[in-house]
Parts: sequence; structure tokens; C-alpha cells
Amino acid sequence: DIQMTQSPSSLSASVGDRVTITCQASQDISIYLNWYQQKPGKAPNLLIYDASNLDTGVPSRFSGSGSGTDFTFTISSLQPEDVATYYCQQYDSLPSVTFGQGTRLDIK
Amino acid sequence: EVQLVESGGALVQPGGSLRLSCVASGFTFSSYSMNWVRQAPGKGLEWVSYISSTSGTINYADSVKGRFTISRDNAKNSLYLQMNSLADDDTAVYYCARDPWATVTLDVWGQGTTVIVSS
Repeated sequence: DIQMTQSPSSLSASVGDRVTITCQASQDISIYLNWYQQKPGKAPNLLIYDASNLDTGVPSRFSGSGSGTDFTFTISSLQPEDVATYYCQQYDSLPSVTFGQGTRLDIK
Repeated sequence: EVQLVESGGALVQPGGSLRLSCVASGFTFSSYSMNWVRQAPGKGLEWVSYISSTSGTINYADSVKGRFTISRDNAKNSLYLQMNSLADDDTAVYYCARDPWATVTLDVWGQGTTVIVSS
């Protein structure tokens, strides 16, 4: 199975800060990586697919990059409504897919 | 409005069975692959099962293979998950999710239904 390792596992940042989360795959997954946001008590929400494509309606302050084994998720200017846990997910090894362990983001 | 609504979650004893349902609205259900994903209390996301739009392709996570059965009824815009031989570690919120490209890229999620396995 492909393992996905996110870092950090949690972070605190101030409103307006640039925030970066990384996700490392245990083997090459090309660009077959998605990012989801899960706000407390809510279902996950797709933000980015295929490593760098913003889903419909997602604010442009969110972005993703990377390929192969190393991926980055960035919030260019943190907003209070961005408090959430963020998950990466690989789908290179269909039918089996795996999520990262999550990164919990809150406001300092 | 595109919507998925799950139901059927309950408290069940170890070894018991449960059937979850997910009703879709606001889109052409029969054109989309669907998935179940679960989240144990305080834990991360775990993919459970996939079914293609015509039910021609079905996949399961190793952790549920042989115990869970996914199915759908396109005439009723409904997705199901039959869960047998339930164990404590099946306790979770179960989400159904739409899969527009049949790649387990999940663009619409339901609100979830809670399954608790406990004696």
C-alpha cells in the first residue's frame, strides 16, 4: 500500500499568514493527489484535484503543487474560516486509495 | 441543489449487521460512480468501497472485504452499504461521496451517518 505522510500534524498561524502543508508519498504517484478540507463537525470538502487544480468555487487563496512523491498545499493569506483539518489523498494505486493522517490548522 | 443524504446508522452489537442508505438529488445519479468513506472517532479518513455508475465495477478496502457489500439502485437514486459481522473498529461516521471521474476523487459528500458497534 502507498503511504501518505503529511506534515506538520498541526499548526497555528495568524490571520493573513501564508500557510504551507506538505504531503509525501511512499512511492511515485505522478499527479494523482487530491486535497480536502474538513471543518469541525462537517463532511470533507474537495479543494484541489490532480495536485494543482482548484475545484469549482474554491477561493483562489488555496493552491497545490508537486508531482512524484512530494506535494505542497498552500493558503496564501489565512482567513478565520480556514480553521479545519486538511487531508491529502492519493489515487495512483486504484482501486485502493489512501489518505494522509491530516493536518489540523487553527488561528493563533 | 446537489445533495447526498445518508441514513441507517445505529448502535449495533459486535457481530451484528446494518444497512446504510444514501439518497442523491440535484444531479443525474446514474451517471456517477459513488463511494463510501468512513471516519472513526477522532481519527482520519478511510476509503471503504467504490461502485461504478452501472455497478459493473465494485471495489473494497481490505479491512471490509468479505463483510461489506456496496450496491445501488439508479431508479431510486440510492446507494447502499450492507455491513455484516460488525466489529468494534467499524465504529465510525460513514459518508457517501460522488466520484465524477471514477478515480475516487470525491467532489460531493453527504453529512454522514454514525455507526457504533458496542455491546
